[in-house]
Amino acid sequence: EVQLVQSGAEVKKPGESLKISCKGSGYSFTSYWIGWVRQMPGKGLEWMGIIYPGDSDTRYSPSFQGQVTISADKSISTAYLQWSSLKASDTAMYYCVVVVTAYYFDYWGQGTLVTVSS
Amino acid sequence: SYVLTQPPSVSVAPGKTARITCGGNNIGSKSVHWYQQKPGQAPVLVIYYDSDRPSGIPERFSGSNSGNTATLTISRVEAGDEADYYCQVWDSSSDHPGVYVFGTGTKVTVL
Repeated sequence: EVQLVQSGAEVKKPGESLKISCKGSGYSFTSYWIGWVRQMPGKGLEWMGIIYPGDSDTRYSPSFQGQVTISADKSISTAYLQWSSLKASDTAMYYCVVVVTAYYFDYWGQGTLVTVSS
Repeated sequence: SYVLTQPPSVSVAPGKTARITCGGNNIGSKSVHWYQQKPGQAPVLVIYYDSDRPSGIPERFSGSNSGNTATLTISRVEAGDEADYYCQVWDSSSDHPGVYVFGTGTKVTVL
């Protein structure tokens, strides 16, 4: 059974850095793309980017290019989403997702709530 | 960029049929996927490739796609179907290698 377990909720101040994680299990971590989806409070879903852990090929949504960094450590089957300088507008729930068949998100993590407030 | 438009809300009585539309330019030429998100939960895939159901999704959920509109149909609606529903496509063009695009979302209320 495919499982994606995300790190816990975070409360940060503007300007701080942050790295959240998503550990995959129940499948070959290096064989499928894994990505991130943002959901701001009371809003819809937005795709941020995706990485292929097998070779670290990474693609970003134009809306998030340069704003975040996606990475993966295949030795521990974990993907990451990081910010170098958080803004209040980064407050959102972040979901990791796995793409098995290329065009949709087969599996979702439970979400990580990030709150950025002074 | 490619835009997918959904009605903000749909209300339906128990036992009736709910239809949720997803509008996009020539969306019939793309594959459409649908997700259900219940309050406080992560989204769940309910329809992929326009009309296929993942294992575990009831047959009451069906999909279609033609022209400029894709539709998710929920037959014999139950109270447990109350949720937000999102359509999604993969869009590629000459100016980018490919992006995943979500619709604006529809809140389904069971009366």
